[in-house]
Amino acid sequence: EDKVVQSPLSLVVHEGDTVTLNCSYEVTNFRSLLWYKQEKKAPTFLFMLTSSGIEKKSGRLSSILDKKELFSILNITATQTGDSAVYLCAVAETGANNLFFGTGTRLTVIP
Amino acid sequence: DGGITQSPKYLFRKEGQNVTLSCEQNLNHDAMYWYRQDPGQGLRLIYYSQIVNDFQKGDIAEGYSVSREKKESFPLTVTSAQKNPTAFYLCASSILAIRTGNEKLFFGSGTQLSVL
Repeated sequence: EDKVVQSPLSLVVHEGDTVTLNCSYEVTNFRSLLWYKQEKKAPTFLFMLTSSGIEKKSGRLSSILDKKELFSILNITATQTGDSAVYLCAVAETGANNLFFGTGTRLTVIP
Repeated sequence: DGGITQSPKYLFRKEGQNVTLSCEQNLNHDAMYWYRQDPGQGLRLIYYSQIVNDFQKGDIAEGYSVSREKKESFPLTVTSAQKNPTAFYLCASSILAIRTGNEKLFFGSGTQLSVL
């Protein structure tokens, strides 16, 4: 069964729009949730969240975690064409040597 | 400039052939990982290594082999036993093993493997 589910699978927006990407998870011993951006090849780290309700922010990107409802959102405001990428969500479990990855959300920003 | 280097970027495999994907890191990280990425699926772990001369199977290790003779290097061999090898392969590293609380992974740029 899927432990990490991302939605939507793909999204097309215009420059300047605000987007919200979703990641829900179901793991036994949650430790942290991570967001990565994969533009062409190498995923690059965006955020790691461990506590509910604390927003992490970097420029136009922000993310928050809800450990009660088991989900996280990634917000991107004033989108630019350079935001076009696949956004990956991953979850770490206590004691495990692997991350559980979602299938990703493909974001396309058109001028 | 620290990072992870994967080579080649593109690789073609003939039937019955073994091929080796290279992964080198100069981040001084102890742990290294190989993931497979297929369209419509999340990254799946093939093998990981917590330290030199040690490695463990991940979720989809069948048809693959690895070695970790040097801290910097973690090559992946796709053997002829892997019947569906066409995929994008990503190598990653972390300071220490994920289970120690070091879940922030650094990724290479990947190798696209295709079957001729």
